Amino acid sequence: KQEVTQIPAALSVPEGENLVLNCSFTDSAIYNLQWFRQDPGKGLTSLLLIQSSQREQTSGRLNASLDKSSGRSTLYIAASQPGDSATYLCAVQYNTDKLIFGTGTRLQVFP
Amino acid sequence: SAVISQKPSRDICQRGTSLTIQCQVDSQVTMMFWYRQQPGQSLTLIATANQGSEATYESGFVIDKFPISRPNLTFSTLTVSNMSPEDSSIYLCSVLAGGGYEQYFGPGTRLTVT
Repeated sequence: KQEVTQIPAALSVPEGENLVLNCSFTDSAIYNLQWFRQDPGKGLTSLLLIQSSQREQTSGRLNASLDKSSGRSTLYIAASQPGDSATYLCAVQYNTDKLIFGTGTRLQVFP
Repeated sequence: SAVISQKPSRDICQRGTSLTIQCQVDSQVTMMFWYRQQPGQSLTLIATANQGSEATYESGFVIDKFPISRPNLTFSTLTVSNMSPEDSSIYLCSVLAGGGYEQYFGPGTRLTVT
């Protein structure tokens, strides 16, 4: 069964810290992996997409890495800010086009 | 990228009634997806809707409960039928864009069934 797990489930940190969010998946034959941000009661905002042939992607203070062989991806957030507070979801796409979502990491950054 | 809008943004409905949710995309897309997010949970795919063919439903979801229409390449509707409190969720539509690799999501419809 294809499953996606994220740890930690929740994280509370002071402003300015560098963070690592983890995502693991059971079936390594992925097509791509996508990281999303979800604010409370809102839809999803795509942050980064890593295709299966890539090792990492960067956007501003965000860096996502992918290790297919070990079934892992990490999202690195540099110099965290209160505006980064949200739930972060990773989702894996296999060749069926649908996304399988992880359980999410709820992040709170306090001033 | 793709810009997606959904209507309504939220609704409170009586049990036993039905609600139709609309999803509009600013560009033509082949595949559209409908997801459900129950309170405190992650997203679960309900069905995939391709224009010109019947929607494909995931295990645990049936057409009688969640009928879907896809009349053209920019629009889809999801109906939640004969609602019960267990249907209280956020319903989101999404599309594949960006060369078919990246998924974009609408803002969601927050449904509360009383």
